[in-house]
Amino acid sequence: SQTIHQWPATLVQPVGSPLSLECTVEGTSNPNLYWYRQAAGRGLQLLFYSVGIGQISSEVPQNLSASRPQDRQFILSSKKLLLSDSGFYLCAWSVASGRFLKNNEQFFGPGTRLTVL
Amino acid sequence: GNSVTQMEGPVTLSEEAFLTINCTYTATGYPSLFWYVQYPGEGLQLLLKATKADDKGSNKGFEATYRKETTSFHLEKGSVQVSDSAVYFCALSDHRDDKIIFGKGTRLHILP
Repeated sequence: SQTIHQWPATLVQPVGSPLSLECTVEGTSNPNLYWYRQAAGRGLQLLFYSVGIGQISSEVPQNLSASRPQDRQFILSSKKLLLSDSGFYLCAWSVASGRFLKNNEQFFGPGTRLTVL
Repeated sequence: GNSVTQMEGPVTLSEEAFLTINCTYTATGYPSLFWYVQYPGEGLQLLLKATKADDKGSNKGFEATYRKETTSFHLEKGSVQVSDSAVYFCALSDHRDDKIIFGKGTRLHILP
């Protein structure tokens, strides 16, 4: 069966410090991968998604970046954190689109709670 | 463009009450529709889904029917429990790309 891991689970960082959040998926190959942010009391905001190694699509311009160095690894980074980067970061995966794919349901990790002080 | 609109929360009910959370959508073609649930401090879990008109998704006592004529996918449960307290997200995928469009979420509080 497939599993998705995120770490760390919680993180407290000062403004201006760097960030690296990691997400890995097990039990599947060539997944689509996604990073979302959920600010307090708000909905989901798609930040980045990737359909393959080295292929990153950015949805929202900001001081964050994403990388996919391996097939099942997705990393969210920042060189200098802002207060507004605080939130709950969720990684998700889905089966890659194919000729017979009829739905694109996504499977979510447990999330990382980031507090920037 | 595609969009999902769900009722504003929070919704507060007593245990064993009947639940309805409204969801309507705008999309081209024939999207797949989903309800996700997020328990406090956790990621989202797929609750149920429907992939074509008139399909009924069901899980854990929750149901939702894909109504193309009214572009709706309302979530219902006949008798809620305290453990159902969570945030519920309605979502759609139109299959043209690899993204899902999520509603803003509805927070549900169930009182014992």
